[in-house]
Amino acid sequence: DADVTQTPRNRITKTGKRIMLECSQTKGHDRMYWYRQDPGLGLRLIYYSFDVKDINKGEISDGYSVSRQAQAKFSLSLESAIPNQTALYFCATSPTGPTYEQYFGPGTRLTVT
Amino acid sequence: GDSVTQMEGPVTLSEEAFLTINCTYTATGYPSLFWYVQYPGEGLQLLLKATKADDKGSNKGFEATYRKETTSFHLEKGSVQVSDSAVYFCALSRASNTGKLIFGQGTTLQVKP
Repeated sequence: DADVTQTPRNRITKTGKRIMLECSQTKGHDRMYWYRQDPGLGLRLIYYSFDVKDINKGEISDGYSVSRQAQAKFSLSLESAIPNQTALYFCATSPTGPTYEQYFGPGTRLTVT
Repeated sequence: GDSVTQMEGPVTLSEEAFLTINCTYTATGYPSLFWYVQYPGEGLQLLLKATKADDKGSNKGFEATYRKETTSFHLEKGSVQVSDSAVYFCALSRASNTGKLIFGQGTTLQVKP
């Protein structure tokens, strides 16, 4: 079984709809992250969480919110989806040091029409 | 701030050719360095890492050496296969920067039979 899972894997939604992307991990890591990937722009950090009570904005948090329901679960919400949020979204986890390498889920392809 | 610069792609090679993908970084202190690989339709996988100067990371025939004097971490493979076709990302993290990963833009490798 995969260590980091994401649901759904694909989603098409309409402008203005609220949508939630979910991430679960069995690696026992405290740190979790949400990224979006756009062609030519690489990966950009949306939010990150170092434990259940510690949530931080990344470089592109506007239009997104997150919830850390448990050590193993970290959800990303788009409160009112817009077409330029069409992207590939990845969840990742990492241990707390010493090298902080991150482990990624398979991604959610989101299309906003 | 911290940054990672990779050579632009796509890189197109014939099977069994030698591969080099250049990566240079800007960071204070002593970051950890990583190469991630993204196969078509999949999430990112950690390919190799190095945590201090002159360390060599290696995996699946790929190698990269942490060169602090040139702030570089170039990825090499002696003989590529069609199955190596993917997008390769160079990244760094610093403990003093909360361990967040800073990614390069990614380099697409296409290997032709």
